[in-house]
Amino acid sequence: LAKTTQPISMDSYEGQEVNITCSHNNIATNDYITWYQQFPSQGPRFIIQGYKTKVTNEVASLFIPADRKSSTLSLPRVSLSDTAVYYCLVGENTGNQFYFGTGTSLTVIP
Amino acid sequence: EPEVTQTPSHQVTQMGQEVILRCVPISNHLYFYWYRQILGQKVEFLVSFYNNEISEKSEIFDDQFSVERPDGSNFTLKIRSTKLEDSAMYFCASSDITRLGGAFFGQGTRLTVV
Repeated sequence: LAKTTQPISMDSYEGQEVNITCSHNNIATNDYITWYQQFPSQGPRFIIQGYKTKVTNEVASLFIPADRKSSTLSLPRVSLSDTAVYYCLVGENTGNQFYFGTGTSLTVIP
Repeated sequence: EPEVTQTPSHQVTQMGQEVILRCVPISNHLYFYWYRQILGQKVEFLVSFYNNEISEKSEIFDDQFSVERPDGSNFTLKIRSTKLEDSAMYFCASSDITRLGGAFFGQGTRLTVV
C-alpha cells in the first residue's frame, strides 16, 4: 500500500484559499487518491476523489500532477467551520484504502 | 442523505467484560468496515467485511475481536474481554459495490473501559 505524507498542521485566515499537499511516491497504477475531513468527535467525511489531472466538486478541488506522486487538496475561501483534520488516502478503490495517516490539522483563524 | 448509524453513542464497561458495538450501514452498500480512534490519535483500520466474511484485517484485530452481520441490516463488532487500552472511539463505515466515491462513516461509539 502506498504510504502518504502530509504536513502535520496548517493555519489560514478566513476567506483565503488553502492548499494541502500529500506525497505518495509509491502510488500504484490502479490507485485512486481520496481525501476525507474529520471534525472532533465525528467520523471522517468523504470530500473528493481523483485519479489524475483535476477534479472539482462543490466543496473542493483536487489537483494531481502527471506523475501522480503527489496531490493537492484546494479549499476555496475557507471559513471557521473548515477547521478540521484532513486525511489523504491512496488505494485501488475505497475497499483498499484502509490506512489513514496522521492527517493535516487545519486551523482557520478569524 | 443516507447515513450510517451506530449504537450506542457511548458505552462504559468494566475491564474484562464483553461489549458489542452495533452499526446499521447504508442499505445498498455491500462493504463494511470498523475503525477505531484513540483520543488524540489517528484513525486506525480494524477490519473490512464483504460477502459475509472478513476481507482484510489489521494487526490490531486480534482474537479478542470479531465481526458479524447477524441479519440484513446490522453489522456488529464484538470485543470479548475488554482491556483499558480498548478505550477509543469506534467508527463503522460502509461503501457501495464500486467502492469508489469514498466510504460513509457513522458518528461513532465512544467506548470507555474502566
